[in-house]
Amino acid sequence: AQKITQTQPGMFVQEKEAVTLDCTYDTSDQSYGLFWYKQPSSGEMIFLIYQGSYDEQNATEGRYSLNFQKARKSANLVISASQLGDSAMYFCAMREGRETSYDKVIFGPGTSLSVIP
Amino acid sequence: DAGITQSPRHKVTETGTPVTLRCHQTENHRYMYWYRQDPGHGLRLIHYSYGVKDTDKGEVSDGYSVSRSKTEDFLLTLESATSSQTSVYFCAISVQGAVLEQYFGPGTRLTVT
Repeated sequence: AQKITQTQPGMFVQEKEAVTLDCTYDTSDQSYGLFWYKQPSSGEMIFLIYQGSYDEQNATEGRYSLNFQKARKSANLVISASQLGDSAMYFCAMREGRETSYDKVIFGPGTSLSVIP
Repeated sequence: DAGITQSPRHKVTETGTPVTLRCHQTENHRYMYWYRQDPGHGLRLIHYSYGVKDTDKGEVSDGYSVSRSKTEDFLLTLESATSSQTSVYFCAISVQGAVLEQYFGPGTRLTVT
């Protein structure tokens, strides 16, 4: 069964607008972590933001914030004030288990974001 | 920069030939991973390692083997390459700390003809 779902294969956003990329996950663990990665056309994978299952506050990193709704098992990425350099593939990922244990991370299929000037 | 390099960066090989991809890290991280990336699938874990000579299978391990004889090197071997193994292969490490986020190497594009 797919554990990470990203229902938007492709998204468009106007430059300077905010955009939300959807991610839902499936786990029976109480302790888990959620990640977002960015992959520009150059191919490298860039870590953006992390949310732990016990974190009470939504994670934020600069223009990135993670809208964590635990009961709905969703971890949407919000990018504020989109820039042309935000055009990339975005992957949601989940690690099950305690943060101090070795981890297997499961990735979603990704969302392609295009920022329009 | 987590100091991860992969070699080769590009390789074309024929069906049935053995292929070894190398991942090298410079910062003594304990956990290392091999993923493959294919359109529509995101990244899928092939094998991972939690220490020297300690490895385990991921979700798509069939047709692949790994070895880790030194902390800094994690090798992925395709014993007899098939066209279905044409993919982009990423190595990753986990950084010890509160989050254990993964950092990735630059990737290896492998084409099996």
